[in-house]
Parts: sequence; structure tokens; C-alpha cells
Amino acid sequence: EAGVAQSPRYKIIEKRQSVAFWCNPISGHATLYWYQQILGQGPKLLIQFQNNGVVDDSQLPKDRFSAERLKGVDSTLKIQPAKLEDSAVYLCASSLGQGGDEQYFGPGTRLTVT
Amino acid sequence: GEDVEQSLFLSVREGDSSVINCTYTDSSSTYLYWYKQEPGAGLQLLTYIFSNMDMKQDQRLTVLLNKKDKHLSLRIADTQTGDSAIYFCAESMDNDMRFGAGTRLTVKP
Repeated sequence: EAGVAQSPRYKIIEKRQSVAFWCNPISGHATLYWYQQILGQGPKLLIQFQNNGVVDDSQLPKDRFSAERLKGVDSTLKIQPAKLEDSAVYLCASSLGQGGDEQYFGPGTRLTVT
Repeated sequence: GEDVEQSLFLSVREGDSSVINCTYTDSSSTYLYWYKQEPGAGLQLLTYIFSNMDMKQDQRLTVLLNKKDKHLSLRIADTQTGDSAIYFCAESMDNDMRFGAGTRLTVKP
């Protein structure tokens, strides 16, 4: 079974530029999550999708971050414009359902904003 | 600060047991998890425990839960160099999962 795929693996941009990350969850997984992991910290949930609907985006900085999962499969996370404090690893995870279902994590995209 | 707290570092010798501790704050959490993260990789679920259990054993891993004190521990028996990684404790209630900052385990030969 293929795991969660993310691209790119690394990205370096200057502040005020835009960036987009892509995630392809495990086939058949209805729930998709985006996490931000700042160096030395645990992952923090940014947004959760159930199929193509948003379940929780309370921690998403909506003035600069946006995410979509149009067909209930792949998802993109965008930052526009980026700030220095956005430097982090962005992790995508998927699960069959919600609640206590095991979340499978992708390798992450490491973003460096200079 | 984090709702879930862990010590940041632990160093053990190969063959010894490792015990990683975690405290959480939400007594309503229904699941508690231990994840492992190796350099450059995503998080891998090691084990989890339901909040109505007090112990779970899975091969070299033993999870102990003290619900009264909101304390969770992960014991790794016969620790190997391949166990060197960052270990994250996480609590979950409904759709919300909260992670600790992670404990970096270093195993010395």
C-alpha cells in the first residue's frame, strides 16, 4: 500500500513570496490533515478535511494560509505571502475516518523562509 | 505552551530500558498515542492506548497510563541504536489531536 505522498520535500523562498504544497493521501482515506511542525516542537494541526469539506480550521492563519481538497482526494496548502516565522515542516496525514482512527503521515515539506 | 508535556532529551545505553514520560491536561481525552519520528521522516505511530485502559504491551513496548495523574509513559525494553529518534506523545478527543514537543532519545553503543 502506497503511503501519503507530499511534494516538494524542500522549499526555500524569500519572505513575502508565495508557496504551495501538495499532498496525496492513502487511497480510500476520507480524512486529510495538514500540520505545521516548527523546529523543536510537536506538530500543530492547521486544517482537517473530511472528504472535500473542512472539519476544523480553527488554527489556520486565514489571512495568509489557504487549503483546498476539491475532489476529496489530493490537497494543496498555500501560503501567501510568507513570513519568516512560517519556516517549518508541513506534514500531511490521512486516516480512514475521524476520531481515534490511526493517522498516517507523509514525509513532510521543509519550508525555509529567508 | 504545549498542553502535552514531555522532557526534551533522554540518553541510554544499548540494551538498557528507556522510559519516556508524558503528562497531558485533558481528562476527556479518549485516545493517547506514542509516535516515533526519525530524521527527515514523518511521524510513525508506535502504539496507542484507550483512556479506559491502564497498560498495554506490544513486543518491546509497554505503555502505562495513570489517568488520575494524567501521566503516560512509554517503556522500550532492550533499547537498540535503531530506536534513536524523537518520540511524541499525543492526546486525542473527537477530532482534535494535540502533540507534545517530543523527547529526543539517544542510544549509545
